Amino acid sequence: DAGVIQSPRHEVTEMGQEVTLRCKPISGHNSLFWYRQTMMRGLELLIYFNNNVPIDDSGMPEDRFSAKMPNASFSTLKIQPSEPRDSAVYFCASSQIQGVNIQYFGAGTRLSVL
Amino acid sequence: KQEVTQIPAALSVPEGENLVLNCSFTDSAIYNLQWFRQDPGKGLTSLLLIQSSQREQTSGRLNASLDKSSGRSTLYIAASQPGDSATYLCAPQDPTGANNLFFGTGTRLTVIP
Repeated sequence: DAGVIQSPRHEVTEMGQEVTLRCKPISGHNSLFWYRQTMMRGLELLIYFNNNVPIDDSGMPEDRFSAKMPNASFSTLKIQPSEPRDSAVYFCASSQIQGVNIQYFGAGTRLSVL
Repeated sequence: KQEVTQIPAALSVPEGENLVLNCSFTDSAIYNLQWFRQDPGKGLTSLLLIQSSQREQTSGRLNASLDKSSGRSTLYIAASQPGDSATYLCAPQDPTGANNLFFGTGTRLTVIP
């Protein structure tokens, strides 16, 4: 398996623009997580899905952030409108719900909002 | 909310030394605990997962222990190598079965050749 695939790897945009981050989880995994990493706050969970259903979005900072998982092999995290304080590395991870549910992380998307 | 603390924040050791990284968490009711490694500019790589019923887990030169009652976990690295240089993150898992992880701020390890 290719692992968790995120795109793009780097995104540079201007304040006010819409940003869409994409994630393909490992085949067969039924939990998907979006995290954000900054120097100040470390790694924070934004939202996670079980079986394509959002379970907990309490970590989503504002209404400007939204996430979808239309099917088991694809998820998006959208920021609209983007602000400079959204600059961070965004990680997607996937795991199985049951059993020894190790989380596997993608390489991340480094977002810079100017 | 689970709070995770990792000590020390940074550690520098000469090659060949054995070392211990410490992790403490405030809520002892955890499901599992994972240790990750993160290289600069890269994603996280899972090193070890300790289930709540286990006391320790080993993989090669790595040994992780878990003491749930005291809210502590340690990662022992034997015979350190320059390639071990990275940030190590401890992450206890939500006990409700929701699977989400709570991350510490990590220990940045440098192994000097």
